[in-house]
Amino acid sequence: DQQVKQNSPSLSVQEGRISILNCDYTNSMFDYFLWYKKYPAEGPTFLISISSIKDKNEDGRFTVFLNKSAKHLSLHIVPSQPGDSAVYFCAAWRDGNQFYFGTGTSLTVIP
Amino acid sequence: DAGVIQSPRHEVTEMGQEVTLRCKPISGHDYLFWYRQTMMRGLELLIYFNNNVPIDDSGMPEDRFSAKMPNASFSTLKIQPSEPRDSAVYFCASSSTVPIPGFFDTGELFFGEGSRLTVL
Repeated sequence: DQQVKQNSPSLSVQEGRISILNCDYTNSMFDYFLWYKKYPAEGPTFLISISSIKDKNEDGRFTVFLNKSAKHLSLHIVPSQPGDSAVYFCAAWRDGNQFYFGTGTSLTVIP
Repeated sequence: DAGVIQSPRHEVTEMGQEVTLRCKPISGHDYLFWYRQTMMRGLELLIYFNNNVPIDDSGMPEDRFSAKMPNASFSTLKIQPSEPRDSAVYFCASSSTVPIPGFFDTGELFFGEGSRLTVL
C-alpha cells in the first residue's frame, strides 16, 4: 500500500507565479521528509528536506511546510522559473526503516 | 567527484534472458539502495544494503530478482529470467548516513542516472 501519496500527477504554472506541490502520508511514525527533483533521463536529485520536529524549512526559492496533524507536506516554489520544470518526488523516512517515495508530480512552468 | 555510476544506461532484451544491472556507489557511502521507477508506484525500493550487508529485501518482487554487494564499491541487480513486466527504469542510490532528526539535516540519497530496461 502506498504510504506516501502525491495525488496530482501534473501541475502547470505561469513563470513568476507560485508553484505548490502537495504530498500526503499515512504513517505518523515518519520523522523525516525530503523532496527530490528529476529531469528526464537523469536520476532524482535532492532538493530540500524537513525534520518532523519542524513545520517549515526554507532554502532560497524553495520552502517545505509540514502539517503533522494532517499528515501533509507541501513544497512551495516562488517565483517559479522554466528551469523548475521537472518531476518532483516526495519521500518520507522512518528510523530503522527505509525511504518511501510518492509517485511524483510533473511540474511545467510556462514562460 | 564522481557520483553514483550505473551501467548499462539502456538495455533491451528478450523475455527469458538474464539481465544484470551494475552500480558503483559514491566512495565512502555506507548505504546502497536499488529502486525501480514505475508510473503506478513511483520510486519503489527493491533492496538496500548497509556496509555491504542486505538489510531489507522485502521490495524484491519475486525470486527472479537478486542483488549482491560483494564489496563497498560495487553492487549488481540481476533478473533471471526477465519478463516484459520488468520493463522500467532501475535506479541505484547511495548515502553516507540515514536521517537523524536533530543531528543531521540531510541524509539524502544520491542517485545514479538509471538503467532503462526494456524486455520484449
